[in-house]
Amino acid sequence: DAGVTQSPTHLIKTRGQHVTLRCSPISGHKSVSWYQQVLGQGPQFIFQYYEKEERGRGNFPDRFSARQFPNYSSELNVNALLLGDSALYLCASSFDPYEQYFGPGTRLTVT
Amino acid sequence: KQEVTQIPAALSVPEGENLVLNCSFTDSAIYNLQWFRQDPGKGLTSLLLIQSSQREQTSGRLNASLDKSSGRSTLYIAASQPGDSATYLCAVTQGGSEKLVFGKGTKLTVNP
Repeated sequence: DAGVTQSPTHLIKTRGQHVTLRCSPISGHKSVSWYQQVLGQGPQFIFQYYEKEERGRGNFPDRFSARQFPNYSSELNVNALLLGDSALYLCASSFDPYEQYFGPGTRLTVT
Repeated sequence: KQEVTQIPAALSVPEGENLVLNCSFTDSAIYNLQWFRQDPGKGLTSLLLIQSSQREQTSGRLNASLDKSSGRSTLYIAASQPGDSATYLCAVTQGGSEKLVFGKGTKLTVNP
């Protein structure tokens, strides 16, 4: 089975722009979570979705939003990009409660 | 608020050495603890998952232990190899949430 996939791999945006990141979970997984990892730090939780409903939200501004589609894939949207949004964005999916499998990440650079 | 600390931040060892990575957490009411490996610029690979009712898990040369009462976990790597060089991250979840709370990781370098 394919693992968690994310697109794009890399992305360069300008301050003030908007970005959409995409994630496809492992087949059969209904839960998707998003994390932000800045250089030298551990990942920070942004959102969790299960069966298209938001189940959890981390301490991120309203510029960050997400949604989950009927096929369980997910999008993370970030508006009005700031330099500090530059990070590796990781998506994880799970079937059992709590054992999570991560994708390769999207590297976002804001200039 | 749950906080996870990993010590040391970096570790350099010669090939073949056995080593221990440490992880501590402030709130012992965890649901499970996961150890991950991350190669530079890449995603996370799950190594071991220990549920709160378990004391340890083993996979190949890796052994992870959990002491909930003291808020500690260790990852033991036997007979280290250069291919083990990576950052190792520890993360916990708490009941009712799938949110993982991560430490900052330990960067391991195994020298040939």
